[in-house]
Amino acid sequence: DTEVTQTPKHLVMGMTNKKSLKCEQHMGHRAMYWYKQKAKKPPELMFVYSYEKLSINESVPSRFSPECPNSSLLNLHLHALQPEDSALYLCASSQDRWSGGPGDTQYFGPGTRLTVL
Amino acid sequence: DQQVKQNSPSLSVQEGRISILNCDYTNSMFDYFLWYKKYPAEGPTFLISISSIKDKNEDGRFTVFLNKSAKHLSLHIVPSQPGDSAVYFCAARAAGNKLTFGGGTRVLVKP
Repeated sequence: DTEVTQTPKHLVMGMTNKKSLKCEQHMGHRAMYWYKQKAKKPPELMFVYSYEKLSINESVPSRFSPECPNSSLLNLHLHALQPEDSALYLCASSQDRWSGGPGDTQYFGPGTRLTVL
Repeated sequence: DQQVKQNSPSLSVQEGRISILNCDYTNSMFDYFLWYKKYPAEGPTFLISISSIKDKNEDGRFTVFLNKSAKHLSLHIVPSQPGDSAVYFCAARAAGNKLTFGGGTRVLVKP
């Protein structure tokens, strides 16, 4: 089973709203990732959590705030977003980050399509 | 600076024939390469991977070839099926499992 779930599937929000995206996996993976994908572009890494601790922040604006409450759950809190933040937000998980082998393979969820008005 | 490039944005192939997707990279520190398939409005699905110490990996209809000296890899799909129509992303892995994706190749398999 390599399932990563994401909710909601679609989200429309205004620039003054606060909302959250949720990602869940029950594969016992210890690394979780947030990516942003704009139309006709490849996914771009935003954040990496490893053993529930933030390991990488790819210079993401502070209006995006990640949170890892436990090893199965990853949230992305959104506040004061801009229309250019409209994109598909993808969550991924991997068994590990440093094994150097297939255990590091990232498995993606279906994404949340975010529209900022 | 694009470290991973897929120079063919699209590919059309007849059902039953071979699909060949290409990917070039510039960073010699990449140690693992992966191919993902993506349907519209869905997340990428992992297909196949190869370690930088190998030159070939095969899984069913999918084979990935790595030419390390040329910094080039390719994905072969044989035989191609209509359900293979999707966007295919090549990804290269750096330390700490950071993935860099190519721009994608849209494959259309015609019945």
